[in-house]
Amino acid sequence: EAGVTQFPSHSVIEKGQTVTLRCDPISGHDNLYWYRRVMGKEIKFLLHFVKESKQDESGMPNNRFLAERTGGTYSTLKVQPAELEDSGVYFCASSQGVGEAFFGQGTRLTVV
Amino acid sequence: SQQGEEDPQALSIQEGENATMNCSYKTSINNLQWYRQNSGRGLVHLILIRSNEREKHSGRLRVTLDTSKKSSSLLITASRAADTASYFCATDPAGRRALTFGSGTRLQVQP
Repeated sequence: EAGVTQFPSHSVIEKGQTVTLRCDPISGHDNLYWYRRVMGKEIKFLLHFVKESKQDESGMPNNRFLAERTGGTYSTLKVQPAELEDSGVYFCASSQGVGEAFFGQGTRLTVV
Repeated sequence: SQQGEEDPQALSIQEGENATMNCSYKTSINNLQWYRQNSGRGLVHLILIRSNEREKHSGRLRVTLDTSKKSSSLLITASRAADTASYFCATDPAGRRALTFGSGTRLQVQP
């Protein structure tokens, strides 16, 4: 069974550019989460999808971040325009019901 | 302070020794999980302990949970160099599915 996959694994962009991160959850998992770890600090929650609906987006830092999950399958997280403080590792996780959350390998975003 | 805080922030031990990491949290939880992150890689789930459990074992891992003190500990016995990583506890506050992580403990196991 394939795990949670994220693409790209690493992205380097200039300040002001746009970047789109993708997450493919484990097939059949209704819950999809985005987290990020900035500058070696704690891992912070961004938002939670249940199927295609945003269940909780209280962690989204500002309106430069846009997450979608059309059709309730894969999800994208777009940062536009990117700022230096957006650099970090973005993790995606999926779960079924209240079960264990499985994480992807993360996308390391570097904004220069 | 943050929900799900680990201490110590950094721990350096010799191979073969035991490593103990602690985690404190603030709100009621459904369960508590421990994760590991090797440098530059993704999060690996280690163990989940439910709020009605007090202790759980998995291989060389032993996790305890004290809901009255809102704390948990992760013990890694007979550590190996490959255990070098950052370890995070994560809680799911009651009423919320998303996990809340602490800042982690960086464990260095010297060969």
